[in-house]
Amino acid sequence: DIQMTQSPSSVSASVGDRVTITCRASQGISSWLVWYQQKPGKAPKLLIYDASSLQSGVPSRFSGSGSGTDFTLTISSLQPEDFATYYCQQAHSFPRTFGQGTKVEI
Amino acid sequence: QVQLQESGPGLVKPSETLSLTCTVSGGSLGSYYWTWIRQPAGKGLEWIGRIYTSGGTNYNPSLKNRVTMSIDTSKNQFSLNLRSVTAADTAVYFCARVSIYYFDNWGQGALVTVSS
Repeated sequence: DIQMTQSPSSVSASVGDRVTITCRASQGISSWLVWYQQKPGKAPKLLIYDASSLQSGVPSRFSGSGSGTDFTLTISSLQPEDFATYYCQQAHSFPRTFGQGTKVEI
Repeated sequence: QVQLQESGPGLVKPSETLSLTCTVSGGSLGSYYWTWIRQPAGKGLEWIGRIYTSGGTNYNPSLKNRVTMSIDTSKNQFSLNLRSVTAADTAVYFCARVSIYYFDNWGQGALVTVSS
C-alpha cells in the first residue's frame, strides 16, 4: 500500500494567516493526489484533484501543488469557515489511501 | 446535484454482518464507480472498496475476505456487507460517488457500532 504522511498533524492559526499543509507519498504517485476538507460531524468535501485543480465552487484562496511524492495544500488567507481537518488521498493505485489528517485550529 | 444517503442498522453484534445501503437521488447511478469509506471516531479515513454500475468491484485487501458490495440500478442503490465484525469495525460509514478517480459527492455518514 502507498502510505500518505501529512505534516503537521495540527496547526494553530488566525484569520488572515497563510497556512500550508504538506503531504508525502511513500512512492511516486505523479499528480494522482486529492485534498478534502472535513468539518466535525460532516462528510469530507472535495477541494482539489489532480494535485492542483480546484473543484468547482471552492474558493480560490485554496491551492494545491506538487507531483511525484511531495505535495502541498495552501490556504492563502484563512477564513473562519476554513477551520477544519484536511486530508490528502492518493489515487495512483489500490487500495486508495489517505493521510492521517491535519487539523487547522485557532 | 446528486445526493447520497446511507441507511442500515446502527448496532451490530460481534461476529455478525454489517449491512448498509446507499440510496442515490437527483441522478442515476450512470457510468460511475461508487465507493464506501469509513472513519472510526476521532480517527482518519479508510477506503473500503468501490463498485461499478456493471457490478465490477475493487476491495481493500485489508478487508477483502469480509467485504461484499452489490448494486441495484433499478433502485438507484448500492450496498455494503461486512462479515464477522468486531469492535474494530465500529465507525462512521460514508458512501460516495467516484468522479473519474476522486470522491466528489458524499453521503452524510452512518454510525455503526459493534457491540453485544
